[in-house]
Amino acid sequence: DAGVTQSPTHLIKTRGQHVTLRCSPISGHKSVSWYQQVLGQGPQFIFQYYEKEERGRGNFPDRFSARQFPNYSSELNVNALLLGDSALYLCASSSRQSGRYSYEQYFGPGTRLTVT
Amino acid sequence: QKEVEQNSGPLSVPEGAIASLNCTYSDRGSQSFFWYRQYSGKSPELIMSIYSNGDKEDGRFTAQLNKASQYVSLLIRDSQPSDSATYLCAVTLGTSYGKLTFGQGTILTVHP
Repeated sequence: DAGVTQSPTHLIKTRGQHVTLRCSPISGHKSVSWYQQVLGQGPQFIFQYYEKEERGRGNFPDRFSARQFPNYSSELNVNALLLGDSALYLCASSSRQSGRYSYEQYFGPGTRLTVT
Repeated sequence: QKEVEQNSGPLSVPEGAIASLNCTYSDRGSQSFFWYRQYSGKSPELIMSIYSNGDKEDGRFTAQLNKASQYVSLLIRDSQPSDSATYLCAVTLGTSYGKLTFGQGTILTVHP
């Protein structure tokens, strides 16, 4: 089975521009989460979508937005890019969330965004 | 106090030794605990999940959870140079079921 896929792999943008990152979850997985990882740190949670609804949002400005489509793929949008947005953007999928336990999250290869 | 804390290392062990990686977390209501391995330039790879107090073994890896002490650890037996990577501890805090909170990672180096 194919794992989580993300596109593009690398991206270079200029300050003030807009970027759209894409993610396809593992087949059968309905939950997608987005994380930002800067060098030397652990990933930081941005959003979670489950069954096309936003289920969680991290401490990121409104310039960050996301959505999930009927086929459970997802897009992360970032407006008015800043130099500090340069990072590895990771998408993770999981089969479901149920009760008090989080099901395991599997990461895609990430999109390396460089803002100049 | 950080929500999830790990020693950043680097931790250096000889080949064949046991590597011990530690993680503490702040929220007593945390329910789910994960260890990820991340090679340089790559994305995190899930290697262990643990939900109940005690030990969970998978091959050369053993995860240990002590909720009373708010402590989770990962033991790697018979360490190999290919185990050299950054190990990330991740926790689901309280009722944030779908949100993983990560530590900063521990860099492990296994030398021949």
